[in-house]
Parts: sequence; C-alpha cells; structure tokens
Amino acid sequence: AQSVSQHNHHVILSEAASLELGCNYSYGGTVNLFWYVQYPGQHLQLLLKYFSGDPLVKGIKGFEAEFIKSKFSFNLRKPSVQWSDTAEYFCAVPGSGATNKLIFGTGTLLAVQP
Amino acid sequence: GAGVSQSPRYKVAKRGQDVALRCDPISGHVSLFWYQQALGQGPEFLTYFQNEAQLDKSGLPSDRFFAERPEGSVSTLKIQRTQQEDSAVYLCASSLPRTGVRNTEAFFGQGTRLTVV
Repeated sequence: AQSVSQHNHHVILSEAASLELGCNYSYGGTVNLFWYVQYPGQHLQLLLKYFSGDPLVKGIKGFEAEFIKSKFSFNLRKPSVQWSDTAEYFCAVPGSGATNKLIFGTGTLLAVQP
Repeated sequence: GAGVSQSPRYKVAKRGQDVALRCDPISGHVSLFWYQQALGQGPEFLTYFQNEAQLDKSGLPSDRFFAERPEGSVSTLKIQRTQQEDSAVYLCASSLPRTGVRNTEAFFGQGTRLTVV
C-alpha cells in the first residue's frame, strides 16, 4: 500500500540556515510526489510536485526537492530559510485507485527564529 | 469565489449531536475530496466525488459519516451521533480534472475544526 513517512516532526532553525526535510515513500505505481505547506491560520497549498522528468524539482518561494529513486526519497530543501517559512510541511503520494486522493505524511512543523 | 470555502470554521458539538459541515469548491471543479486531520497528524482521506457521484468512500470511518454533493457543486459532510474521537479538522479540497489525471493540484479550504465535548 502507498505510504509516506516524514522523520522530522519538529524542526527549529535560525534565519539564513539551510533546510532539509526528509520524506520517504512506499509506492507501487508510477511515482508522483508532492510537498504541501500550511502556513499558520491558512489552508494547505501546493509547494511543488514531481511527476516525471528532471528529478530536481523547483517550487515556489525558493524551495526545491530531489526525487532519488534508489533511496525512495523526496527530500525538501531550501538553502536559506526566512522567518516567513514557519509552517507545517507535508509530503504526499497518490492513493490507490483511479481518483487523485492523496496519502499524506504526518507533517513536519518548522519554526524559524528571527 | 476565488478559493475553496468551508463553513463553519469552528464547531463545538455535544457528544451524540449531529453536525453538518459545508464545502463550496472552486467553481467548475469536477473533483471534490474530504479529509480528516487529527491533531498532530497529516490529513487522511475520507471520500471523493466526481461531480455529483460519490466514487470513493473508502475512508469514511463509520456509518455515522455521510457525505453528499447533490448538484455537483456544494458538498456537505454529515456526522451523526458525534463521538469524542470525531474531534478533528475536516478539510475539503477540489480539483479540475476527472479521475485518471495524476499530475494535478488539489486546492484546499481552511477546514472546519470540530470539537466534540
């Protein structure tokens, strides 16, 4: 069955520090991978997605993620975080069946200290 | 509207009470999803509609949970005889494509936080 695991539940960084959030997946079909972000008091929104092609995916706000098939990983990175990146980050894969439902990880809460 | 709208934003229910949660998807979006997000967890799929047809309800935790989308736009998630374990944020999401198109973005509402006391 499809699943994702996020190893970092709570991360605290200072501004300008580099960020890497882990995501490992178990998925039996064509791999599609997503990162969603939820800023405080706001709705979940798509940060970036991998569908095919270049395994290094660029997203909004300077985020990127690399799909490494041999490691079943899709880690999220940002070279220099800002206070405004404080949010909860979710990795997701499509669920089974023909719908586009998503299977989410448990999330990583990132707190950036000014 | 510009995005997915959910109401109410907050709901406190006494145990045993019935509740109804509303979702207004983005106009024209074919697909509509309901998710449940417990505290400290990621969203978990409940059910999926393509227009007015409920094609997947595999995530509904019990027969106390019921969802409908009678005209293919607004959807309502109803929970009967609420229990404390139903306390969670209920998220609605919509997307334009039909099933089978994987490379697509789901747009989420802000959710309804349900607290059962």
